[in-house]
Amino acid sequence: QQPVQSPQAVILREGEDAVINCSSSKALYSVHWYRQKHGEAPVFLMILLKGGEQKGHEKISASFNEKKQQSSLYLTASQLSYSGTYFCGTANSGGSNYKLTFGKGTLLTVNP
Amino acid sequence: GAGVSQSPSNKVTEKGKDVELRCDPISGHTALYWYRQRLGQGLEFLIYFQGNSAPDKSGLPSDRFSAERTGESVSTLTIQRTQQEDSAVYLCASSLMGLNYGYTFGSGTRLTVV
Repeated sequence: QQPVQSPQAVILREGEDAVINCSSSKALYSVHWYRQKHGEAPVFLMILLKGGEQKGHEKISASFNEKKQQSSLYLTASQLSYSGTYFCGTANSGGSNYKLTFGKGTLLTVNP
Repeated sequence: GAGVSQSPSNKVTEKGKDVELRCDPISGHTALYWYRQRLGQGLEFLIYFQGNSAPDKSGLPSDRFSAERTGESVSTLTIQRTQQEDSAVYLCASSLMGLNYGYTFGSGTRLTVV
């Protein structure tokens, strides 16, 4: 079951904050976040596991709410380099824990 | 190698021809995945290899698609009798097994069927 990401696109000015959400209709075992720049391969940002918590990576952090079956990615004080398409990938409880199903992506544009 | 290597980077083929796409994973990565990305779309799972276990082929869209992996190294994705709807970027990824490891993706093969 493909997770649903929102918003589909967001435009920021440098220094502004953004939140990207990822929701699943099934119980989640883990959530991965990736960023893909135009014409490049997706790059792994972080993984959140069932029973886990909020993780951080510089000014990019994420939370995982098992009860709501969703994860959120937080980008604070955005930089131009944050521009790209962000994908969440989910592994559902009871299924393959290592095969991810990806959302359709959120296009983030950071302008000067 | 330092990363996941895919070849060719671009492939233009005529409708009806067969194509082979190659993926060299990171040494030591036991898990290997193939995904397809159509223009402006998300990543669509195709197939997953894990060590010597039977591959998970549940994402292959038709019997024209097949993939092999030699041990824990190179994988080849074959598309027979290509159709225009097969045009996409085919991404390979590898990872360590375990709960805390993300995927490392290759740069992909852009397939265009004319």
